Amino acid sequence: QKEVEQDPGPLSVPEGAIVSLNCTYSNSAFQYFMWYRQYSRKGPELLMYTYSSGNKEDGRFTAQVDKSSKYISLFIRDSQPSDSATYLCAMSSFMDTDKLIFGTGTRLQVFP
Amino acid sequence: KAGVTQTPRYLIKTRGQQVTLSCSPISGHRSVSWYQQTPGQGLQFLFEYFSETQRNKGNFPGRFSGRQFSNSRSEMNVSTLELGDSALYLCASSWMAIKRGGPADTQYFGPGTRLTVL
Repeated sequence: QKEVEQDPGPLSVPEGAIVSLNCTYSNSAFQYFMWYRQYSRKGPELLMYTYSSGNKEDGRFTAQVDKSSKYISLFIRDSQPSDSATYLCAMSSFMDTDKLIFGTGTRLQVFP
Repeated sequence: KAGVTQTPRYLIKTRGQQVTLSCSPISGHRSVSWYQQTPGQGLQFLFEYFSETQRNKGNFPGRFSGRQFSNSRSEMNVSTLELGDSALYLCASSWMAIKRGGPADTQYFGPGTRLTVL
């Protein structure tokens, strides 16, 4: 079993929809949680970074971490065609902050 | 500020050969990490270098090695290539002055080197 599980999708939604992306994990040592976005033929770029449990909002993006359930989410409001990409969750532990463990990514397509 | 650059962008090799990939981090960043990305396994951590020292290593065979130079540029080498080594190899740089017990620093990724092994 992988340390981080993520539904690969693809997820196809109409423009303006609210998108929910999720990851579950098994290692309770994870303290730092990130969401990356990766466009085709590009490297991942950091969208959101959360430490421990709680919510964080940045524009149309909201990241949630529930450590008791070992579950993290990324919500995208008012989705746009330009949001079409692969979304990767990543996490690391307090003792190994440099070693990111990634989910396999969810492919999102937002159609006009 | 220039981003992380990786060369070459594409590479085709045959089984048994070896390959060297290069990564130039963002100016001022001293930590360079390498990841392998495949459709089946996703991104997997290879190793991390800071100030020319390997600080962390993932679960890859010894055929995968790396090094970092005094200017923070890094190279990774794969010897005796296998078909399963075909992947996108991503390099990421960060300040990452604290490896343990501190906040995770943002890692900035390059565009990757697409390696195909025939």
